[in-house]
Amino acid sequence: DVKVTQSSRYLVKRTGEKVFLECVQDMDHENMFWYRQDPGLGLRLIYFSYDVKMKEKGDIPEGYSVSREKKERFSLILESASTNQTSMYLCASSKKTGERQPQHFGDGTRLSIL
Amino acid sequence: AQSVTQLDSQVPVFEEAPVELRCNYSSSVSVYLFWYVQYPNQGLQLLLKYLSGSTLVESINGFEAEFNKSQTSFHLRKPSVHISDTAEYFCAVSDLSRDDKIIFGKGTRLHILP
Repeated sequence: DVKVTQSSRYLVKRTGEKVFLECVQDMDHENMFWYRQDPGLGLRLIYFSYDVKMKEKGDIPEGYSVSREKKERFSLILESASTNQTSMYLCASSKKTGERQPQHFGDGTRLSIL
Repeated sequence: AQSVTQLDSQVPVFEEAPVELRCNYSSSVSVYLFWYVQYPNQGLQLLLKYLSGSTLVESINGFEAEFNKSQTSFHLRKPSVHISDTAEYFCAVSDLSRDDKIIFGKGTRLHILP
């Protein structure tokens, strides 16, 4: 079974802090994703990576950056956290484009910015 | 661009009664369709998927969905719900040309009443 592991289930940070959310997958997937989930808004894609050091902006990249130095690890970075970034963050992974495979999700990180 | 509409944000239903969760997507030549389920305090899990072939797809826990191309719908049904089905359900779609990008609906919260 695919395992996507997010380093923290709950995280509390202060406004202005630099925040790192980590995600690791163990199935050698090429694609990795970061979403945020808010009530009534569903899932919105922040960033997507299709290979090591490769990234693509999603629908709401402002205020975020990402890093993918190794295939199995995809990090989301909040450069200067703000209260409107309080949310549930979900990481996902999938096989490369064209293989018709669904995305597999981690359990999420509930981030609170005070 | 693709979009997904889940017509009901919340659906209350009595235990052992049937349920239908509605999903419509914007028109496209060919699509892949998914239903994901999110149990409380967990990430999303794939419930079922339509890639090609039979328009009726089934999950292992009694849910089924039917792909209707003319109505651009992919409604999820279960003939008899159980309390353990309490969760949020997300319909999702991707284009064949870009199957790495999945567009999610805003979710339908299923409440099972005793």
